[in-house]
Amino acid sequence: DVKVTQSSRYLVKRTGEKVFLECVQDMDHENMFWYRQDPGLGLRLIYFSYDVKMKEKGDIPEGYSVSREKKERFSLILESASTNQTSMYLCASSFAGGHQPQHFGDGTRLSIL
Amino acid sequence: RKEVEQDPGPFNVPEGATVAFNCTYSNSASQSFFWYRQDCRKEPKLLMSVYSSGNEDGRFTAQLNRASQYISLLIRDSKLSDSATYLCVVNIGYSSASKIIFGSGTRLSIRP
Repeated sequence: DVKVTQSSRYLVKRTGEKVFLECVQDMDHENMFWYRQDPGLGLRLIYFSYDVKMKEKGDIPEGYSVSREKKERFSLILESASTNQTSMYLCASSFAGGHQPQHFGDGTRLSIL
Repeated sequence: RKEVEQDPGPFNVPEGATVAFNCTYSNSASQSFFWYRQDCRKEPKLLMSVYSSGNEDGRFTAQLNRASQYISLLIRDSKLSDSATYLCVVNIGYSSASKIIFGSGTRLSIRP
């Protein structure tokens, strides 16, 4: 079974803090993704990576950065957290190729106060 | 027009009923399609891929209509545990850099 693990289920941070969300997958997947999900807006892609040290902007990259130093780990960084970044963050991974389905982690519910 | 559209529902049906919903997509270059289910406050989980010839997995049947640009999901003999939001996913292209679009989901509620 594919296992995608996100470091925290719930996280509370303060405005202006630098926030790190970690994601690890154990299936040797080439592709990894970060999404946020908000009521009424569905899933929105923040960044994705299809190889180590590679990253591509998704639909809403502003205010975020990512790091992929190892194949199994993809980190999302909120450089200076703001209240509008309060959301559910979902990490996903898949094998290479656009026809491969993605597998999601449990999600991190992040609140910025 | 959204690239992937779903009726948000909710679809409220009795246990044992058959229910079907569609997902339309606008880009004719779309290559692969999936259905996911998402329970409240949980992550999306892959339900099934959608193949050109249509495919079935137990009580679930997925179909693709390329001419009309929609995919469908049919659930037979619905169970209370089928209550969830169903997301359709469309991949445009074959490469890893292809665009992946999630629908906003259709909410299904099965009543006893």
